[in-house]
Amino acid sequence: GAGVSQSPSNKVTEKGKDVELRCDPISGHTALYWYRQSLGQGLEFLIYFQGNSAPDKSGLPSDRFSAERTGGSVSTLTIQRTQQEDSAVYLCASSVGPGQQRAFFGQGTRLTVV
Amino acid sequence: QQQVKQSPQSLIVQKGGIPIINCAYENTAFDYFPWYQQFPGKGPALLIAIRPDVSEKKEGRFTISFNKSAKQFSLHIMDSQPGDSATYFCAASMIQGAQKLVFGQGTRLTINP
Repeated sequence: GAGVSQSPSNKVTEKGKDVELRCDPISGHTALYWYRQSLGQGLEFLIYFQGNSAPDKSGLPSDRFSAERTGGSVSTLTIQRTQQEDSAVYLCASSVGPGQQRAFFGQGTRLTVV
Repeated sequence: QQQVKQSPQSLIVQKGGIPIINCAYENTAFDYFPWYQQFPGKGPALLIAIRPDVSEKKEGRFTISFNKSAKQFSLHIMDSQPGDSATYFCAASMIQGAQKLVFGQGTRLTINP
Protein backbone atom coordinates (compact mmCIF):
# COMPACT_ATOMS: atom_id res chain seq x y z
CA GLY A 1 0.00 0.00 0.00
CA ALA A 2 0.92 3.66 -0.11
CA GLY A 3 1.59 3.91 3.60
CA VAL A 4 1.51 2.02 6.87
CA SER A 5 -2.05 1.00 7.61
CA GLN A 6 -3.34 0.27 11.09
CA SER A 7 -6.68 -1.10 12.18
CA PRO A 8 -8.88 -0.43 13.92
CA SER A 9 -8.33 3.29 14.25
CA ASN A 10 -10.20 3.30 17.53
CA LYS A 11 -10.95 0.50 19.96
CA VAL A 12 -12.90 0.64 23.19
CA THR A 13 -12.75 -2.49 25.28
CA GLU A 14 -13.74 -3.60 28.72
CA LYS A 15 -11.11 -4.23 31.35
CA GLY A 16 -10.05 -7.86 31.30
CA LYS A 17 -10.82 -8.45 27.61
CA ASP A 18 -8.21 -9.33 25.02
CA VAL A 19 -7.58 -7.06 22.03
CA GLU A 20 -5.75 -7.46 18.74
CA LEU A 21 -4.30 -4.52 16.86
CA ARG A 22 -3.24 -4.91 13.25
CA CYS A 23 -0.46 -3.28 11.26
CA ASP A 24 0.02 -3.54 7.51
CA PRO A 25 3.47 -2.16 6.67
CA ILE A 26 4.61 -0.59 3.44
CA SER A 27 5.15 -3.27 0.84
CA GLY A 28 8.78 -4.39 0.71
CA HIS A 29 9.69 -3.00 4.11
CA THR A 30 11.45 -5.67 6.15
CA ALA A 31 11.60 -3.79 9.45
CA LEU A 32 8.49 -3.24 11.57
CA TYR A 33 8.16 -1.48 14.92
CA TRP A 34 5.42 -1.10 17.51
CA TYR A 35 5.37 1.90 19.83
CA ARG A 36 2.96 3.07 22.50
CA GLN A 37 2.11 6.72 23.04
CA SER A 38 0.27 7.63 26.20
CA LEU A 39 -1.59 10.94 26.38
CA GLY A 40 0.85 13.81 26.04
CA GLN A 41 3.84 11.50 26.29
CA GLY A 42 6.64 10.36 24.07
CA LEU A 43 6.83 7.15 22.12
CA GLU A 44 7.60 4.06 24.15
CA PHE A 45 9.25 1.25 22.19
CA LEU A 46 7.46 -2.09 22.43
CA ILE A 47 8.84 -4.54 19.85
CA TYR A 48 10.88 -4.60 16.64
CA PHE A 49 10.84 -7.15 13.82
CA GLN A 50 13.57 -7.34 11.19
CA GLY A 51 13.14 -9.84 8.39
CA ASN A 52 13.32 -13.41 9.67
CA SER A 53 15.44 -12.53 12.69
CA ALA A 54 14.19 -13.06 16.22
CA PRO A 55 12.21 -9.96 17.26
CA ASP A 56 13.52 -7.49 19.81
CA LYS A 57 10.87 -7.77 22.51
CA SER A 58 12.75 -5.76 25.09
CA GLY A 59 10.11 -3.03 25.29
CA LEU A 60 7.05 -5.17 25.99
CA PRO A 61 5.80 -4.00 29.41
CA SER A 62 4.43 -7.33 30.61
CA ASP A 63 3.68 -10.89 29.49
CA ARG A 64 0.15 -9.74 28.66
CA PHE A 65 1.62 -8.14 25.55
CA SER A 66 2.70 -10.17 22.54
CA ALA A 67 3.18 -9.58 18.86
CA GLU A 68 3.70 -11.64 15.78
CA ARG A 69 4.51 -10.94 12.19
CA THR A 70 3.24 -13.41 9.64
CA GLY A 71 5.06 -13.95 6.37
CA GLY A 72 7.30 -10.99 7.02
CA SER A 73 4.42 -8.60 6.37
CA VAL A 74 1.34 -7.99 8.50
CA SER A 75 1.84 -7.76 12.25
CA THR A 76 -0.61 -8.21 15.09
CA LEU A 77 -0.11 -6.81 18.58
CA THR A 78 -2.16 -8.68 21.17
CA ILE A 79 -2.91 -7.42 24.65
CA GLN A 80 -4.45 -9.99 26.96
CA ARG A 81 -6.55 -9.17 30.02
CA THR A 82 -6.45 -5.46 29.26
CA GLN A 83 -6.01 -2.99 32.10
CA GLN A 84 -6.92 0.69 32.24
CA GLU A 85 -3.24 1.65 32.12
CA ASP A 86 -3.06 0.01 28.69
CA SER A 87 -5.12 2.90 27.29
CA ALA A 88 -2.92 4.69 24.77
CA VAL A 89 -2.31 5.16 21.08
CA TYR A 90 -0.47 2.20 19.62
CA LEU A 91 1.69 3.18 16.67
CA CYS A 92 3.22 0.94 14.08
CA ALA A 93 6.08 1.92 11.79
CA SER A 94 8.04 0.24 9.03
CA SER A 95 11.31 0.87 7.26
CA VAL A 96 13.12 -0.60 4.28
CA GLY A 97 15.53 -2.53 6.49
CA PRO A 98 19.03 -2.58 7.95
CA GLY A 99 20.98 0.55 7.16
CA GLN A 100 17.82 2.32 5.98
CA GLN A 101 16.48 3.85 9.13
CA ARG A 102 13.77 6.11 7.75
CA ALA A 103 10.70 4.82 9.54
CA PHE A 104 7.20 5.57 8.30
CA PHE A 105 4.45 5.59 10.90
CA GLY A 106 0.82 4.65 10.63
CA GLN A 107 -1.88 6.81 12.17
CA GLY A 108 -2.16 4.57 15.17
CA THR A 109 -4.88 2.72 17.03
CA ARG A 110 -6.37 4.59 19.95
CA LEU A 111 -7.14 1.99 22.61
CA THR A 112 -9.43 2.88 25.49
CA VAL A 113 -9.93 0.38 28.27
CA VAL A 114 -13.03 1.09 30.36
CA GLN B 1 22.10 4.66 28.56
CA GLN B 2 19.25 4.21 26.13
CA GLN B 3 17.54 7.46 27.05
CA VAL B 4 17.19 10.54 24.90
CA LYS B 5 16.37 13.67 26.88
CA GLN B 6 14.47 16.42 25.11
CA SER B 7 13.77 20.01 26.14
CA PRO B 8 11.76 22.12 26.45
CA GLN B 9 8.46 20.28 26.95
CA SER B 10 6.58 23.17 25.39
CA LEU B 11 7.54 26.25 23.47
CA ILE B 12 5.64 29.28 22.23
CA VAL B 13 7.17 31.49 19.56
CA GLN B 14 5.91 34.37 17.48
CA LYS B 15 5.61 33.92 13.74
CA GLY B 16 8.97 34.49 12.09
CA GLY B 17 10.90 33.55 15.22
CA ILE B 18 13.39 30.67 15.44
CA PRO B 19 12.31 27.96 17.87
CA ILE B 20 15.12 25.72 19.08
CA ILE B 21 14.54 22.26 20.53
CA ASN B 22 17.37 20.41 22.21
CA CYS B 23 18.15 16.74 22.76
CA ALA B 24 20.88 14.89 24.59
CA TYR B 25 21.84 11.25 24.47
CA GLU B 26 24.17 8.96 26.39
CA ASN B 27 24.78 5.94 24.20
CA THR B 28 27.79 6.69 22.01
CA ALA B 29 26.82 3.78 19.75
CA PHE B 30 23.89 5.80 18.39
CA ASP B 31 24.68 6.91 14.85
CA TYR B 32 21.37 8.08 13.43
CA PHE B 33 19.43 11.05 14.79
CA PRO B 34 16.06 11.89 13.25
CA TRP B 35 13.46 14.46 14.12
CA TYR B 36 9.78 13.67 13.76
CA GLN B 37 6.84 16.05 13.51
CA GLN B 38 3.43 15.00 14.76
CA PHE B 39 0.12 16.75 14.24
CA PRO B 40 -2.87 15.89 16.45
CA GLY B 41 -4.49 12.62 15.48
CA LYS B 42 -1.68 11.69 13.11
CA GLY B 43 1.33 9.45 13.33
CA PRO B 44 4.79 11.03 13.53
CA ALA B 45 6.37 11.96 10.21
CA LEU B 46 10.09 12.16 9.55
CA LEU B 47 11.21 15.78 9.21
CA ILE B 48 14.98 15.62 8.92
CA ALA B 49 17.77 13.33 10.10
CA ILE B 50 21.52 13.52 10.62
CA ARG B 51 24.44 11.14 10.96
CA PRO B 52 27.29 11.98 13.38
CA ASP B 53 29.84 12.56 10.62
CA VAL B 54 28.43 16.05 9.98
CA SER B 55 27.81 18.94 12.38
CA GLU B 56 24.88 20.51 10.59
CA LYS B 57 22.20 19.61 8.09
CA LYS B 58 19.64 21.89 6.49
CA GLU B 59 16.44 21.01 4.69
CA GLY B 60 14.36 23.99 3.78
CA ARG B 61 13.59 25.95 6.94
CA PHE B 62 14.68 23.10 9.23
CA THR B 63 18.25 22.71 10.49
CA ILE B 64 19.81 20.09 12.74
CA SER B 65 22.94 21.05 14.64
CA PHE B 66 24.96 18.15 16.01
CA ASN B 67 27.66 18.24 18.69
CA LYS B 68 29.23 14.80 18.91
CA SER B 69 31.58 15.57 21.80
CA ALA B 70 28.71 16.93 23.91
CA LYS B 71 26.33 14.19 22.73
CA GLN B 72 23.73 16.79 21.93
CA PHE B 73 21.72 17.76 18.89
CA SER B 74 19.11 20.39 18.24
CA LEU B 75 16.43 21.40 15.77
CA HIS B 76 16.09 24.98 14.57
CA ILE B 77 13.10 26.17 12.56
CA MET B 78 13.81 29.31 10.55
CA ASP B 79 11.04 31.82 9.76
CA SER B 80 8.54 29.78 11.77
CA GLN B 81 4.92 29.73 10.65
CA PRO B 82 1.66 28.90 12.44
CA GLY B 83 1.48 25.75 10.32
CA ASP B 84 4.64 24.54 12.08
CA SER B 85 2.66 24.23 15.31
CA ALA B 86 2.95 20.56 16.22
CA THR B 87 4.72 18.20 18.58
CA TYR B 88 8.33 17.50 17.69
CA PHE B 89 10.22 14.40 18.75
CA CYS B 90 13.92 13.75 18.52
CA ALA B 91 15.12 10.18 18.35
CA ALA B 92 18.29 8.13 18.12
CA SER B 93 19.21 4.68 16.92
CA MET B 94 21.99 2.56 15.52
CA ILE B 95 22.22 1.88 11.83
CA GLN B 96 23.48 -1.61 12.58
CA GLY B 97 22.73 -3.83 15.53
CA ALA B 98 19.91 -2.74 17.84
CA GLN B 99 18.07 -0.52 15.41
CA LYS B 100 15.06 0.49 17.45
CA LEU B 101 14.41 4.21 17.57
CA VAL B 102 14.64 5.69 21.06
CA PHE B 103 12.50 8.82 21.29
CA GLY B 104 12.68 11.94 23.40
CA GLN B 105 9.59 12.99 25.33
CA GLY B 106 8.48 15.52 22.75
CA THR B 107 8.13 19.29 22.53
CA ARG B 108 4.78 20.90 21.91
CA LEU B 109 5.51 23.90 19.70
CA THR B 110 3.04 26.72 19.18
CA ILE B 111 3.71 29.45 16.64
CA ASN B 112 1.51 32.46 17.26
CA PRO B 113 0.41 34.55 14.26
